[in-house]
Amino acid sequence: QVQLVQSGSELKKPGASVKVSCKASGYSLTTYALHWVRQAPGQGLEWMGWINTQTGNPTYAQGFTGRFIFSLDTSISMAYLEIDTLKADDTATYYCAREYSNGVSGWLDPWGQGTLVTVSS
Amino acid sequence: QSVLTQPPSASGTPGQRVTISCSGSTFNIGSNPVNWYQHLPGMAPRLLIFSNNQRPSGVPVRFSGSKSGTSASLAISGLQSEDEADYYCAAWDDSLNGCLFGGGTKLTVL
Repeated sequence: QVQLVQSGSELKKPGASVKVSCKASGYSLTTYALHWVRQAPGQGLEWMGWINTQTGNPTYAQGFTGRFIFSLDTSISMAYLEIDTLKADDTATYYCAREYSNGVSGWLDPWGQGTLVTVSS
Repeated sequence: QSVLTQPPSASGTPGQRVTISCSGSTFNIGSNPVNWYQHLPGMAPRLLIFSNNQRPSGVPVRFSGSKSGTSASLAISGLQSEDEADYYCAAWDDSLNGCLFGGGTKLTVL
């Protein structure tokens, strides 16, 4: 079945970097756009941006430029979220999600199970 | 701060009907379809309603969505204990050129 499987939890120190992976199965990664969504502890869902899986071109939401990098390895159906120079307030669960579209509108389905990134000294 | 406004909480007893509202603007809900997601703690968010009022396969018919102008609503009829979750509306925003999520509504089944 169509699913996205993410890498496991990470514990990092401030200033370090982290790379979260998201593996697509049951469909071709390059057929649909891939989005990233953050949920900080006790907070709601926050859209981080998306990556065009055909061209590799990323688009970042306001607040997620500079330290956040979306990338792909289409040979292994993998998408990545890398966060550089981690700060304590990067502590959150990060989700990848496929954008499915009917040509008129799009929606996120399915979602990965989430990757908890904890930044603490 | 989200520009899609949802009530932070809602509640109902088993069997009741509850509605969750989502208020936006002409740039988002007024111009684009609304999607709804259900999020249970520790789980992946789940698509509940797409394109304002369409249910994906596997979503019970007691979940329904509607949109009017710059507002949308999610209705849950025949409330069940397993419906206790956080619910989020989402829509594309043409001014931000990005996706917006509502702040989320925590539904409690009493």
